[in-house]
Amino acid sequence: DQQVKQNSPSLSVQEGRISILNCDYTNSMFDYFLWYKKYPAEGPTFLISISSIKDKNEDGRFTVFLNKSAKHLSLHIVPSQPGDSAVYFCAARRRGSSNTGKLIFGQGTTLQVKP
Amino acid sequence: DAGVIQSPRHEVTEMGQEVTLRCKPISGHNSLFWYRQTMMRGLELLIYFNNNVPIDDSGMPEDRFSAKMPNASFSTLKIQPSEPRDSAVYFCAGRGRNTGELFFGEGSRLTVL
Repeated sequence: DQQVKQNSPSLSVQEGRISILNCDYTNSMFDYFLWYKKYPAEGPTFLISISSIKDKNEDGRFTVFLNKSAKHLSLHIVPSQPGDSAVYFCAARRRGSSNTGKLIFGQGTTLQVKP
Repeated sequence: DAGVIQSPRHEVTEMGQEVTLRCKPISGHNSLFWYRQTMMRGLELLIYFNNNVPIDDSGMPEDRFSAKMPNASFSTLKIQPSEPRDSAVYFCAGRGRNTGELFFGEGSRLTVL
């Protein structure tokens, strides 16, 4: 069973516009969420995270929103740049597993930002 | 400062052959994870170690898969015998004691013909 779901396999946006990537989860025990970015032939790299005690975290052009009641989080990129074109993975960590750091990942969304 | 180092980067083998993937984590990272990336399931956790001890191997698909971490600086993932459905990119990742995120290697792309 897929506990972390990214239902949109791909997204295409115009440079300068906002990109919104979505992620849903099913396990209410998740208390920490992360977004990773992956370029072809490279490993995923950490982008931004949010704890379940918050509903928003912002870092430059990247903002993550968390809606716990809906078990939904989203990543906003504004303005989008061609260099943002990559696969974005949503990940979640279960409460009590901070010691081991085990992360459950979604399927990924491929973002294409057109110049 | 070297990151997580994986080898080989690419492996093409024939069905039935043994495959060994290797990982050297970042020095000081006490947790090590093996993930597999496929189109359908994204990044699946196969197994992870904490202080060289396997903690959870419930993600390992079958008995054909095994992983070891003989010391803090080296881990292997072995598939024997390999099958075409094992074709995927396998990632090793590590985590330090006081960080929330994982640091990934560049992956090993496995193709089983």
